[in-house]
Order: sequence, then C-alpha cells, then structure tokens
Amino acid sequence: EDKVVQSPLSLVVHEGDTVTLNCSYEVTNFRSLLWYKQEKKAPTFLFMLTSSGIEKKSGRLSSILDKKELFSILNITATQTGDSAVYLCAVEPNNYGQNFVFGPGTRLSVLP
Amino acid sequence: NAGVTQTPKFRVLKTGQSMTLLCAQDMNHEYMYWYRQDPGMGLRLIHYSVGEGTTAKGEVPDGYNVSRLKKQNFLLGLESAAPSQTSVYFCASRPRQGARNTGELFFGEGSRLTVL
Repeated sequence: EDKVVQSPLSLVVHEGDTVTLNCSYEVTNFRSLLWYKQEKKAPTFLFMLTSSGIEKKSGRLSSILDKKELFSILNITATQTGDSAVYLCAVEPNNYGQNFVFGPGTRLSVLP
Repeated sequence: NAGVTQTPKFRVLKTGQSMTLLCAQDMNHEYMYWYRQDPGMGLRLIHYSVGEGTTAKGEVPDGYNVSRLKKQNFLLGLESAAPSQTSVYFCASRPRQGARNTGELFFGEGSRLTVL
C-alpha cells in the first residue's frame, strides 16, 4: 500500500527560526513529489520535485528530494507569522494524472 | 480568473439524504479529482477522472458516485449520506502533461459537509 509519512505532525517556533519539515514515502513507481501550503482553505502549490539531489528554491523556502532514501525535506528560513499553516506532502506513484497520495500534513505555528 | 470553483461551500444533511457537489474548472484541464480531508488524515482520493466521460475509483470511493459529462465539470454525489461522510471535500484539476506546466494540482476552496 502506498504511504506518505510526515514529521513532525505539529511544530511551534518563533519568528526568525529556521524549520525543517520531513516527508518520507513508500510508493510503487515513483513519479513526482509535491509540497503544498494550506492555510484556511485551498492548498497552494509550493514545489514539485522529480529528480534526486536538485534543490528547488522560492524565497525563504527550499526543498530537496532523495530518491534513494525515499524522503524529501522542506526548509523555511527566517520564519514569519505568515508561514503558519499546514504543509502537505504528496507523492505521485503511477502514471501521470492518475493519483496522488497525501501525507497527514505538518501544522506549523510561528509565534511573534 | 475563476480557476476551480466548488458549490456549495457549506451543507448540512440528515442521514439518508442525497446531495451533489459540483466542481467546475475554466482552465481546460484534462484531469479532475475529488478528495476528502479529515483531521489528522490528510487528503484522501475519492474518485478521479482522466478525461471527459471517464471516471475511476480512488482510495475511499464507497458511498460516493461521480460523473464527468462535460470536460469542465466533475460532480460528486452522495446517494444516502452517513455521518461518516462528514468532512471537507476538495476538488482539484490538473493540466495534461507537457513542458509548459509544472504538473501541479489546482484546488478549489473546499466544501464543508456535515451529516447529522
């Protein structure tokens, strides 16, 4: 059974801290891994990773994939209160378009 | 630019009632999905569609039916609602694979359904 695990499930930090969120997976025929940020409503797209060892960056956020060890990390530097959200990891295990398996999410709270 | 629109956004049902959630996307996407989100369980796929007129079961399809008669619309039906179907439902769409897109899922804002 395809599975995505995220850790920690919940995290509280102060503004300015750096955080690392983890996503590990067990899927057949790995195709891609996506990170989403979910505040109150719809998840919003952050990154898609398909190749091992290549870092994706967007401002203070970055992510990297290790296909050998079957995990990805999402780093957020100099956190701000606006980073407070649930961060979702999703893996596409099969042919394009057929399915994504989501992890339970990490709830990040950034205190002022 | 509407993107993915879900209606209704909120609904309260009694056990045994039926209802339909409508998802509409204006991006000409091929693929559409219905997920449910429950506390601590992330998003779980109910049904999906890889094109107009096609549907397939996801991880948790029991108690739900879907239809994709038009490319832009994906309907999720509950024939006889049960309290276990109390959840937040998200529709998502995705473009055809190609060099010009990231392959991401585009989500609607969710529909909160309560079954009493």
